[in-house]
Amino acid sequence: RKEVEQDPGPFNVPEGATVAFNCTYSNSASQSFFWYRQDCRKEPKLLMSVYSSGNEDGRFTAQLNRASQYISLLIRDSKLSDSATYLCVVVEYGNKLVFGAGTILRVKS
Amino acid sequence: EAGVTQFPSHSVIEKGQTVTLRCDPISGHDNLYWYRRVMGKEIKFLLHFVKESKQDESGMPNNRFLAERTGGTYSTLKVQPAELEDSGVYFCASSQVGNTEAFFGQGTRLTVV
Repeated sequence: RKEVEQDPGPFNVPEGATVAFNCTYSNSASQSFFWYRQDCRKEPKLLMSVYSSGNEDGRFTAQLNRASQYISLLIRDSKLSDSATYLCVVVEYGNKLVFGAGTILRVKS
Repeated sequence: EAGVTQFPSHSVIEKGQTVTLRCDPISGHDNLYWYRRVMGKEIKFLLHFVKESKQDESGMPNNRFLAERTGGTYSTLKVQPAELEDSGVYFCASSQVGNTEAFFGQGTRLTVV
């Protein structure tokens, strides 16, 4: 079993749609969680942190459920520029990042 | 302020040759990490430096890989001799001590033929 599991997609959605990505992790001792965004042939960039209380940044909302070891990302009013791969990331001891394989989002006009 | 920079951006070498990748972290970032993404797989941790000391090298695939960070500034990752399965994108990341937010370089795309 992978440490961080994500639905690879691709998710093909029209502009303006709401889309949700899910992620599960296996290490119950993990303490920090993030969503990163990676554009084609570019480096991963931090999108947002994920907390049990939820974290909202504009059109993006991230949520953590520790009991279920489940992380989500909701994107509202999708834009063409949101097209990218979204990486679920769990931080382990020593600030080591453990990545999911990523979920591909394609927003079409 | 300059971000994390990596050199070269691309490298194509023959099996059995040696390649050295370089990473310059953000100034003042004591944490430096190497990660790798091979085709079709997730990004995986290779190792972690705190200043010049190796904190965790549990992700290094085998002894053909050697990472150094002399003086606690830039780091090099040498692959000798390279094998076909070493092909992939090698990312470097840095962060401040006590801060989990890591900043990534643009990566080095290594192709072993």
